[in-house]
Amino acid sequence: DTGVSQNPRHKITKRGQNVTFRCDPISEHNRLYWYRQTLGQGPEFLTYFQNEAQLEKSRLLSDRFSAERPKGSFSTLEIQRTEQGDSAMYLCASSPAGVNEKLFFGSGTQLSVL
Amino acid sequence: EDQVTQSPEALRLQEGESSSLNCSYTVSGLRGLFWYRQDPGKGPEFLFTLYSAGEEKEKERLKATLTKKESFLHITAPKPEDSATYLCAVQDKPLYGNKLVFGAGTILRVKS
Repeated sequence: DTGVSQNPRHKITKRGQNVTFRCDPISEHNRLYWYRQTLGQGPEFLTYFQNEAQLEKSRLLSDRFSAERPKGSFSTLEIQRTEQGDSAMYLCASSPAGVNEKLFFGSGTQLSVL
Repeated sequence: EDQVTQSPEALRLQEGESSSLNCSYTVSGLRGLFWYRQDPGKGPEFLFTLYSAGEEKEKERLKATLTKKESFLHITAPKPEDSATYLCAVQDKPLYGNKLVFGAGTILRVKS
């Protein structure tokens, strides 16, 4: 069990640029989640995958955000035309199938939009 | 809509000074209540899951309890290494997955 891996750890970009983050979940976990966390707040749910299917998206997820999980393995989260309000920690988590399973989180990608 | 409220927002303790953190929740049907610990610059780390009122779980100096409306995280004789943000989250009865709804957390500082 190598844990959930996220890259890059830090990303600094200029307003209007596109950014992409990658998440590698724990290998046997078929469920993958993206969360966003701003300073002083708890993580907010963005989207959820079961295998390669994106089954739930938060209404917080604007059209500028897109997530994929090809072949049910790693996942990418892309933000187009970044805005200063997108600055946050983006957390990925994975869990096994089954009821009441806990989520295992990665260390996150810290995005700063200048 | 699910809501989780944690109090206090921040807590400063002297080493050895026991205290409790509170998590109040509103859900349509609770599947589980989770406590996580988060260190600065890192992702949340799982501590406990509680499923039904009256349940208690312990790990070292931490003990979590659950009622129908709230959960408490009791910290007995804390040490400086217990300093972290403690997050409470609930798992509703969704159609899919094990999505968690988090509170804002309690920042704990333990001074030696």
